[in-house]
Amino acid sequence: AQRVTQPEKLLSVFKGAPVELKCNYSYSGSPELFWYVQYSRQRLQLLLRHISRESIKGFTADLNKGETSFHLKKPFAQEEDSAMYYCAPTLYSGAGSYQLTFGKGTKLSVIP
Amino acid sequence: DTEVTQTPKHLVMGMTNKKSLKCEQHMGHRAMYWYKQKAKKPPELMFVYSYEKLSINESVPSRFSPECPNSSLLNLHLHALQPEDSALYLCASSPSSANYNEQFFGPGTRLTVL
Repeated sequence: AQRVTQPEKLLSVFKGAPVELKCNYSYSGSPELFWYVQYSRQRLQLLLRHISRESIKGFTADLNKGETSFHLKKPFAQEEDSAMYYCAPTLYSGAGSYQLTFGKGTKLSVIP
Repeated sequence: DTEVTQTPKHLVMGMTNKKSLKCEQHMGHRAMYWYKQKAKKPPELMFVYSYEKLSINESVPSRFSPECPNSSLLNLHLHALQPEDSALYLCASSPSSANYNEQFFGPGTRLTVL
């Protein structure tokens, strides 16, 4: 079965500490992978995507095809990083369309 | 304009009512999406429109009826809903339905069914 797993529902870290939000996927083929973030009272928005290989707000994510993981990392957490983070691969749904499939999400809380 | 807008922000309806949710974008995107998000859960895909044609229907009950009148507008018509349909309904758009595209989300419509 194709699925995405975010094992931690809630992750609390102190300000300045490193952060790693885990994401594992189980899909045939090579899906495109995204991290989306939802800050309090804001709309869901893209944080970063594998295809761009860029660093946004200090976050990076490396695709490990051997471990089928796409963990999100930041060396020094900031209070403004507190939010809900979703790992989201895309699946081919036929007729030329792909669908974004969200993991259950990890709520990151950065303690001052 | 680089935002997806949704109206209304909040909607309360009875089980016999008919109402519609509206979504609009002026970014020239040709793929538009409806998602349902229950409290403390991830968004779940309902429908995908690609070039104004319905391309994905995720086995959504017929009491939800999507419509894409033009490339900028997406509606979700609601009829005879159940209390368990209460949720945040999110609209999103992307340049196309290709797998590498970012989806831009609206703020959502908070629906309560009494």
